[in-house]
Amino acid sequence: AQSVTQPDIHITVSEGASLELRCNYSYGATPYLFWYVQSPGQGLQLLLKYFSGDTLVQGIKGFEAEFKRSQSSFNLRKPSVHWSDAAEYFCAVVVDSNYQLIWGAGTKLIIKP
Amino acid sequence: NAGVMQNPRHLVRRRGQEARLRCSPMKGHSHVYWYRQLPEEGLKFMVYLQKENIIDESGMPKERFSAEFPKEGPSILRIQQVVRGDSAAYFCASSLGGKNEQYFGPGTRLTVT
Repeated sequence: AQSVTQPDIHITVSEGASLELRCNYSYGATPYLFWYVQSPGQGLQLLLKYFSGDTLVQGIKGFEAEFKRSQSSFNLRKPSVHWSDAAEYFCAVVVDSNYQLIWGAGTKLIIKP
Repeated sequence: NAGVMQNPRHLVRRRGQEARLRCSPMKGHSHVYWYRQLPEEGLKFMVYLQKENIIDESGMPKERFSAEFPKEGPSILRIQQVVRGDSAAYFCASSLGGKNEQYFGPGTRLTVT
């Protein structure tokens, strides 16, 4: 069965430091890949997506993600985090010919002042 | 340009009552998805609907849960005879098509007392 793994439940970084959130998926072919962010008590906002083409995708709020087929990974990065980035981040995939979003368990990002 | 709207945002029900959650998709979107998020967990797919059709309800509990998306009006997720374990955040998403990115509403937080 397809699955998405976000190995880090919590990550704490200092404001201004760089960030990388990990996401791995298990599926034979290349799925559609997404990162969503959920602020406390809020819904989910799409940060970026990968369907095909350039494996480095740019998203909103200064985030980017790189698709690495050999590692089945789609890690999210930001060069310098801001306190407002504190939130929970979810990686999700849609398997080709399907429409269901398969979700990771999420990574909670904590920003130290 | 309104996004996905859900109401109510918060709903409190006593055990045994019925809960009705509403979702109005983004303008032009005819595909609606419902997800459930339990505390400290990621989202789990429940059901996928198009206008007047249930496409996939494989994530719905077999009893007490139903969903509809009528020709006119919002999509409704209905939970009969609620139990404490139904307490969760319920998110609705909509998309243009089955493989397009999904846009999420703010969620309805159901509390069963």
